[in-house]
Amino acid sequence: ETGVTQSPTHLIKTRGQQVTLRCSSQSGHNTVSWYQQALGQGPQFIFQYYREEENGRGNFPPRFSGLQFPNYSSELNVNALELDDSALYLCASSGTKGLSGASTQYFGPGTRLTVL
Amino acid sequence: DQQVKQNSPSLSVQEGRISILNCDYTNSMFDYFLWYKKYPAEGPTFLISISSIKDKNEDGRFTVFLNKSAKHLSLHIVPSQPGDSAVYFCAAEGPNDKIIFGKGTRLHILP
Repeated sequence: ETGVTQSPTHLIKTRGQQVTLRCSSQSGHNTVSWYQQALGQGPQFIFQYYREEENGRGNFPPRFSGLQFPNYSSELNVNALELDDSALYLCASSGTKGLSGASTQYFGPGTRLTVL
Repeated sequence: DQQVKQNSPSLSVQEGRISILNCDYTNSMFDYFLWYKKYPAEGPTFLISISSIKDKNEDGRFTVFLNKSAKHLSLHIVPSQPGDSAVYFCAAEGPNDKIIFGKGTRLHILP
């Protein structure tokens, strides 16, 4: 089983620009979730995709959008970047629920985005 | 409005002793509670979970206790080891599988 990978590792953008972050899920995992982790905070749910359809969204504006592809890869797109978008962006993939019944999510290492 | 709260930003524990990390929540609709561990420059890794219908789940050195009436859960690590030094996130999963995380507690295991 390969792990969850994300690219790039770090990224610097200026306010108003657009950015695309990429994630490669574990093989066989149909669900991918994206999170934003600001400094000193826990990960905040942005949205989730299941079989290429959005399957839930957190309190993020429409300029945060995503795509999921059949090859277990996905993208997070952010338009009109703002200074407050500076954060660690994490993707997590999950497959069938574990024995406990909880959705065990496997996280990638994250992309550190800095908006200047 | 924080639905999952970890009120201790950091905790220091002597190696070999018990580490107890606490978490409070506000929403009675959560189905599962999870603990994740995060090392620097890595994503969070799943540690242990508990269903809302149970009050205890144990996995090796890790035990999670759930007190539904108090809307409180805790993670016990015994004995604590140096490799346990990390940030621990408490998280809750609702009916739509959306996971809500607390702010985390940084655990330092002292030699």
